Amino acid sequence: ILNVEQSPQSLHVQEGDSTNFTCSFPSSNFYALHWYRWETAKSPEALFVMTLNGDEKKKGRISATLNTKEGYSYLYIKGSQPEDSATYLCAFQNTDKLIFGTGTRLQVFP
Amino acid sequence: ETGVTQTPRHLVMGMTNKKSLKCEQHLGHNAMYWYKQSAKKPLELMFVYNFKEQTENNSVPSRFSPECPNSSHLFLHLHTLQPEDSALYLCASSQALRGGGFLGTDTQYFGPGTRLTVL
Repeated sequence: ILNVEQSPQSLHVQEGDSTNFTCSFPSSNFYALHWYRWETAKSPEALFVMTLNGDEKKKGRISATLNTKEGYSYLYIKGSQPEDSATYLCAFQNTDKLIFGTGTRLQVFP
Repeated sequence: ETGVTQTPRHLVMGMTNKKSLKCEQHLGHNAMYWYKQSAKKPLELMFVYNFKEQTENNSVPSRFSPECPNSSHLFLHLHTLQPEDSALYLCASSQALRGGGFLGTDTQYFGPGTRLTVL
């Protein structure tokens, strides 16, 4: 059974704080790692797809790194804003499926 | 907006009812997916269609019956459901699957989901 773990499960931070979450995934049969941002009552929105060990991707204040040898990815948010409040999902991809974690729920307080 | 719409957004049904969930994508994709999210569990893949052909059934009970009449529309027909089937049902689409069901690294674009409650 392929398992994707995300930590922490939830996080509360003040506006302006920087934060990071972890996604752990199987290091075998790896093809890609996906990050999604999911606001309540909206559609999950794709943030990044990463495929190579050492990949770093950035989108505004959000960035992600990938270590396929040890099976983890970090998502960083610099200077969190209330609009960053959402659940952040990662998904491990083998050749034909995405296997999701349960997400990290981020709440940013003004 | 992701270009994937789902209706209805909320549905309450009895165990003897028959209802359908609808998904439509406006992205020109050829692969479509149904996912289920139960409380405190990860998104779980149910069905995959590629060019209107079902390529994946993830051991889903027969009381869930998918239909893909064309590459833009996907339905999930529901009948004689159980209370434990109450969940959020999400549809997604992506570029076509490659040979052997290979995903490529194409992003899956999700709809907002249908919140289903079975009484």
